[in-house]
Amino acid sequence: DADVTQTPRNRITKTGKRIMLECSQTKGHDRMYWYRQDPGLGLRLIYYSFDVKDINKGEISDGYSVSRQAQAKFSLSLESAIPNQTALYFCATSESDFPEGAFFGQGTRLTVV
Amino acid sequence: AQSVTQLGSHVSVSEGALVLLRCNYSSSVPPYLFWYVQYPNQGLQLLLKYTSAATLVKGINGFEAEFKKSETSFHLTKPSAHMSDAAEYFCAVSVSGGYNKLIFGAGTRLAVHP
Repeated sequence: DADVTQTPRNRITKTGKRIMLECSQTKGHDRMYWYRQDPGLGLRLIYYSFDVKDINKGEISDGYSVSRQAQAKFSLSLESAIPNQTALYFCATSESDFPEGAFFGQGTRLTVV
Repeated sequence: AQSVTQLGSHVSVSEGALVLLRCNYSSSVPPYLFWYVQYPNQGLQLLLKYTSAATLVKGINGFEAEFKKSETSFHLTKPSAHMSDAAEYFCAVSVSGGYNKLIFGAGTRLAVHP
């Protein structure tokens, strides 16, 4: 089983719909992250969480919300999806200070039509 | 604030040729630096990392990178490209301690042709 699992892997949704992307990890890490990947822009940080009670906005949090249900689970929600949220979304985990870097899920390809 | 610049969004090399992917960083304190690779339809895989030990870092698949503080660079190299190296490569920086985060460059897509 993968260390970081994202569901769904692919999703097409309509403008205005609410959608949730889920992430679970078996690494036992406290820190979890949601990134968005767009061509030519690399990965940009949406939200990050350093433990269940500590959630922080990243550089592009507008239009997104998150929930840290447990140490191992971190979900990303789009309350009202819009077409420019079409992207590849990655969840990642790490130990503090990134001694081993971050571990990434396989990604969720989201298309908003 | 720390940042990463990758020079060249696309690099094309011949099989067997040297691979050089450039990365420059900006950080006010000693950074941790990483190179990740993304194969088509896959997540990111760590290639190698610099965490203030040896400045020349060896990674998987024959890749290596050298941390040069004076040039604020962490370029990725491989002596001889293989077709299987075709992928997108990301350089990332994190500052040690505190509320640090992993900041990525825009990525470089490597093409390897016969």
